[in-house]
Amino acid sequence: GENVEQHPSTLSVQEGDSAVIKCTYSDSASNYFPWYKQELGKRPQLIIDIRSNVGEKKDQRIAVTLNKTAKHFSLHITETQPEDSAVYFCAASTSGGYQKVTFGTGTKLQVIP
Amino acid sequence: GAVVSQHPSWVICKSGTSVKIECRSLDFQATTMFWYRQFPKQSLMLMATSNEGSKATYEQGVEKDKFLINHASLTLSTLTVTSAHPEDSSFYICSARDRGQVDEQYFGPGTRLTVT
Repeated sequence: GENVEQHPSTLSVQEGDSAVIKCTYSDSASNYFPWYKQELGKRPQLIIDIRSNVGEKKDQRIAVTLNKTAKHFSLHITETQPEDSAVYFCAASTSGGYQKVTFGTGTKLQVIP
Repeated sequence: GAVVSQHPSWVICKSGTSVKIECRSLDFQATTMFWYRQFPKQSLMLMATSNEGSKATYEQGVEKDKFLINHASLTLSTLTVTSAHPEDSSFYICSARDRGQVDEQYFGPGTRLTVT
């Protein structure tokens, strides 16, 4: 089955700096890669996703890059703000209604004011 | 749109009793629903996948006789934790896929289960 590794497990940055979280996956059939933000005790929220036919996607301060050959993808947050502090999860799945999503181990991001 | 609800949001039960958690898609039809368990400071671990009208597919290591999943309609799935024990205490989250979409899944708010 799919295995998703995520690094780092914790990340502290100064407000305004950039944060980068990296993930690797094992199943070459995976073609959908969502990123989630989860605050304590809350549900995961989709913040951005990318499909394998795209190498990069950006939404305001958030961007995701995908290297399908190397089987890794990364989340980039620029101009970080204290409200960005949360746990971030990468995930991978194959496209389709029944296909399950495998989550990474999570990164706790702390943005220091 | 794409709202998923869960009930209850938290529950405390005694060891040996059973607890039922409901997951509903409020404004879309969900052919596939997923149940996850999340222990403190850990990732979401998929427990099972269910399709409407068919038996759930359980992940390796998840006891299907202990965690009963029913997906009776396109908007409702239930997870029953039978003979709960303290080690079953966790955050249980469901998610659902809209039959009209391909990839994105929508998460419920989660249920905090504490077994005393």
